[in-house]
Amino acid sequence: DQQVKQNSPSLSVQEGRISILNCDYTNSMFDYFLWYKKYPAEGPTFLISISSIKDKNEDGRFTVFLNKSAKHLSLHIVPSQPGDSAVYFCAASAGRSGGGADGLTFGKGTHLIIQP
Amino acid sequence: DAGITQSPRHKVTETGTPVTLRCHQTENHRYMYWYRQDPGHGLRLIHYSYGVKDTDKGEVSDGYSVSRSKTEDFLLTLESATSSQTSVYFCAISEGQGRGKLFFGSGTQLSVL
Repeated sequence: DQQVKQNSPSLSVQEGRISILNCDYTNSMFDYFLWYKKYPAEGPTFLISISSIKDKNEDGRFTVFLNKSAKHLSLHIVPSQPGDSAVYFCAASAGRSGGGADGLTFGKGTHLIIQP
Repeated sequence: DAGITQSPRHKVTETGTPVTLRCHQTENHRYMYWYRQDPGHGLRLIHYSYGVKDTDKGEVSDGYSVSRSKTEDFLLTLESATSSQTSVYFCAISEGQGRGKLFFGSGTQLSVL
């Protein structure tokens, strides 16, 4: 039973346009959400996060939106650049209630391809 | 970059042989994790540790054991490797109580023939 779902295995976007990556979750105990970026032959790196008490968090070109009622979050990248081509993982934590020591639950990832 | 070193980076082994992967950190973080990444499955938690000699199972722990005798080292052992354990293994560390911002190592590509 997948608790974090990324339903788009891949996404192709033109350079300079907006990239929107989506993520859905089923566990209502999740209260902290993160996006990780992964290049081939490297480990995932933290990109941006959002707490369930917020509905938006922005960091430069990256913005994460959280819709708790829909159990949905999205990552917006504006403008998209060639270096953004990577696999993006959505992750969630049941920190407060679940203790949080048991790590993050990840989605399957979305491969973002930025076309020149 | 967080000081995490995974060894070996690549390993090819035969079915039925024992394999140990090592994760070494220089950050003195309390929490350490082992994940595996497979096509179509994303990252799945194998085992984690919340202190020296304190470990617990994750989502896909069958066939794996771990040990943590020192803060800086977290070992993952495949007692008798199977082809289904062919994967990329990532070690991660966290300062806080799993509240995100896991820092990952570069991974170990393991092939079981």
